[in-house]
Amino acid sequence: GAVVSQHPSWVICKSGTSVKIECRSLDFQATTMFWYRQFPKQSLMLMATSNEGSKATYEQGVEKDKFLINHASLTLSTLTVTSAHPEDSSFYICSAEGTSNVREQYFGPGTRLTVT
Amino acid sequence: DQQVKQNSPSLSVQEGRISILNCDYTNSMFDYFLWYKKYPAEGPTFLISISSIKDKNEDGRFTVFLNKSAKHLSLHIVPSQPGDSAVYFCAASGGYGGATNKLIFGTGTLLAVQP
Repeated sequence: GAVVSQHPSWVICKSGTSVKIECRSLDFQATTMFWYRQFPKQSLMLMATSNEGSKATYEQGVEKDKFLINHASLTLSTLTVTSAHPEDSSFYICSAEGTSNVREQYFGPGTRLTVT
Repeated sequence: DQQVKQNSPSLSVQEGRISILNCDYTNSMFDYFLWYKKYPAEGPTFLISISSIKDKNEDGRFTVFLNKSAKHLSLHIVPSQPGDSAVYFCAASGGYGGATNKLIFGTGTLLAVQP
């Protein structure tokens, strides 16, 4: 149980284009999902909290117009990186709150974004 | 301001011995702590957690100890196995008024278990 998937696992795009990353909870419903990014040899940094049916809550310093989050159903949240630039290249990981214990989060496998 | 710190970037242990990974935190409002294991280019895998009302939680080979007065927690793995080799992150949550489940991650410790 508590399986989270992400798609795509890796993507290369040109500077100025937009990229959408999907995060799905496969065997449970997730009211709340989280989006993180990780730079090489660094920790995971929370970008935003995504709540089903409402606007996402962004962490300080994260541009909400650049990183669009949509959580339209209890099993799907999407992160769209708009007008991507090389500095947006990173490893993006989503997570979902556990159902039996909401204090635990279960993570997807991550998406490697490279902007050329 | 790094609220969760893992001061050892790496640790090497012989197979069969105990691995002890340490984590310190500064925010006394944290009330829930978790350990995750992560391989490169993969998402973290949940290992074990502990609430601040406890000082120990055990699950198989993994035991987490919490010392609230010292704001310190540790993960013990015994016996260590080569398959345990990975980066281990501690994470903390709580005290964010309405967003208590946000996780703050430490910087990670790379564990290498030598056969």
